[in-house]
Amino acid sequence: SQQGEEDPQALSIQEGENATMNCSYKTSINNLQWYRQNSGRGLVHLILIRSNEREKHSGRLRVTLDTSKKSSSLLITASRAADTASYFCATVRTSRGGADGLTFGKGTHLIIQP
Amino acid sequence: DADVTQTPRNRITKTGKRIMLECSQTKGHDRMYWYRQDPGLGLRLIYYSFDVKDINKGEISDGYSVSRQAQAKFSLSLESAIPNQTALYFCATSDLLAGNNEQFFGPGTRLTVL
Repeated sequence: SQQGEEDPQALSIQEGENATMNCSYKTSINNLQWYRQNSGRGLVHLILIRSNEREKHSGRLRVTLDTSKKSSSLLITASRAADTASYFCATVRTSRGGADGLTFGKGTHLIIQP
Repeated sequence: DADVTQTPRNRITKTGKRIMLECSQTKGHDRMYWYRQDPGLGLRLIYYSFDVKDINKGEISDGYSVSRQAQAKFSLSLESAIPNQTALYFCATSDLLAGNNEQFFGPGTRLTVL
């Protein structure tokens, strides 16, 4: 089953505007990660936020985490055409007392209109 | 990520055929994973491996098998391919010592089963 669920499923904005994507998850987490995927390509890790952090920045990216609501948001400021991609949140699966793979949401497809 | 490679990049096969997808990495990571992605969905974990000859089932392992004969290589096999295994397949690695399960993805293999 999908742990994370992003919304919106699709988002189209003008270049220069800010883009906000949200993610909800179901179980307790150690960290939450955001990945980017250009069409048909592999995923690229963008940013990780730990469960004891509330906000984190990396360049034009800002991630927030609210563990009480089991939700996270990814903000891309001053968007560029090259930001057009799908964005996924992911949480760590756990088994045998340790972490194994990641559980991904269905993603938000972001289109930046030039 | 150029450090994680997958072969072939594209494959068309027929129902009932045996198919092997290969993954190689030069990152020196101990952990490797296979995911599949279906249109409009996030990635789902098929199998993962923490070390040579260590094999663990993921969320959707039925119909698949894997082999980890060397640290740098992790192969995925479809013993008898069926059309609903048509998908994009990704290999990924992570470093145990990083402690956060950040994953590094290959470029993907697009598999079509007719």
